[in-house]
Amino acid sequence: IAGITQAPTSQILAAGRRMTLRCTQDMRHNAMYWYRQDLGLGLRLIHYSNTAGTTGKGEVPDGYSVSRANTDDFPLTLASAVPSQTSVYFCASSDSGASKNIQYFGAGTRLSVL
Amino acid sequence: QKEVEQDPGPLSVPEGAIVSLNCTYSNSAFQYFMWYRQYSRKGPELLMYTYSSGNKEDGRFTAQVDKSSKYISLFIRDSQPSDSATYLCAMSYNNDMRFGAGTRLTVKP
Repeated sequence: IAGITQAPTSQILAAGRRMTLRCTQDMRHNAMYWYRQDLGLGLRLIHYSNTAGTTGKGEVPDGYSVSRANTDDFPLTLASAVPSQTSVYFCASSDSGASKNIQYFGAGTRLSVL
Repeated sequence: QKEVEQDPGPLSVPEGAIVSLNCTYSNSAFQYFMWYRQYSRKGPELLMYTYSSGNKEDGRFTAQVDKSSKYISLFIRDSQPSDSATYLCAMSYNNDMRFGAGTRLTVKP
């Protein structure tokens, strides 16, 4: 089934450690996104990429970095994790050439930083 | 003020009830309006989308958009326990999308 694959599904991480969340899509969408979802705050955009080779900052980019070496992959890196980064992280993709820009989501990664 | 406001609930209804979920927004530039459904420990999945004002129906689900009031609604008829989920409204313009915080719905048998 076509879609977005995220890994790992969950992770417990010690504060100060480096962590990369992986995201792969097979829909050949040009745009990809990383969100974090926290209770009461909804989905907040961390970083996005409109096309391979370009990235941009979203609403809450501090402490996170991304890269987009090719169309399919969009990893999110926490260089030095802090407890406030405990959250559920969702990767999404869309065909940004289509005016409605419907985003399709992965199943998420649950991250706990202790 | 957030760009998109959505009552987080929780909302609990008996099976068969009509459910009304709503969002308000402040940016009149939004053109596409969407509803996502998110089951527990899953990612959001697109339920419906509409363009500009008007109604759209899909089975038991009806989406309404009133751009003059900056208000969108999702109605669920004959609600089922399987409809129990969090519903997120979303809206976009120029590839820029904003989400509501989500309303948690429980439909009791």
